[in-house]
Amino acid sequence: GAVVSQHPSWVICKSGTSVKIECRSLDFQATTMFWYRQFPKQSLMLMATSNEGSKATYEQGVEKDKFLINHASLTLSTLTVTSAHPEDSSFYICSARDHRTSGPGGYTFGSGTRLTVV
Amino acid sequence: AQTVTQSQPEMSVQEAETVTLSCTYDTSESDYYLFWYKQPPSRQMILVIRQEAYKQQNATENRFSVNFQKAAKSFSLKISDSQLGDAAMYFCAYGPHSGSRLTFGEGTQLTVNP
Repeated sequence: GAVVSQHPSWVICKSGTSVKIECRSLDFQATTMFWYRQFPKQSLMLMATSNEGSKATYEQGVEKDKFLINHASLTLSTLTVTSAHPEDSSFYICSARDHRTSGPGGYTFGSGTRLTVV
Repeated sequence: AQTVTQSQPEMSVQEAETVTLSCTYDTSESDYYLFWYKQPPSRQMILVIRQEAYKQQNATENRFSVNFQKAAKSFSLKISDSQLGDAAMYFCAYGPHSGSRLTFGEGTQLTVNP
């Protein structure tokens, strides 16, 4: 089946630095990728949707200058948390979909990244 | 806008027993998909079962089955012969036919007691 690889699994960074999270589709071409944020014991909150080769669409309230999303190829999307602060500490999950070949509802999730900003 | 509601924040079941998790949704679309995802402590999102709205037959995957009531906009998950490994957070999700964003419910934390 479809596999999405997300790295790193966890990262600790100092306040004010930037962190990049990668999301790769290993065996399919991801025409659309989704980035979620999840707080403990809560649901997934969609941050942005990105389509290959075009700018990401951010959800209301998500700072596009802080959370930079790049979807430059059909197999790779990156989320960069710029000038990270402790309040950015969270669990980030990506999801990918191939509109052309996925069956109905073909969404595949990465394993997530736990970000801690100290 | 679509909404998904899971009214049970926590549920518990004895091992080998059956438990049903509730989910309701709201949409004006006629064709869409519904999903149940499992998120164990590892936090990996695992697809448990999915239902296509135009199919009247309820989806079944081994010990997992759904009760899909389209008119009532209800989509419950039944877990039979519960196992310790079923303990997890379960999310109900709505997906439009277009394949754009999923809308998730708040989640139900399932505990399986030995």
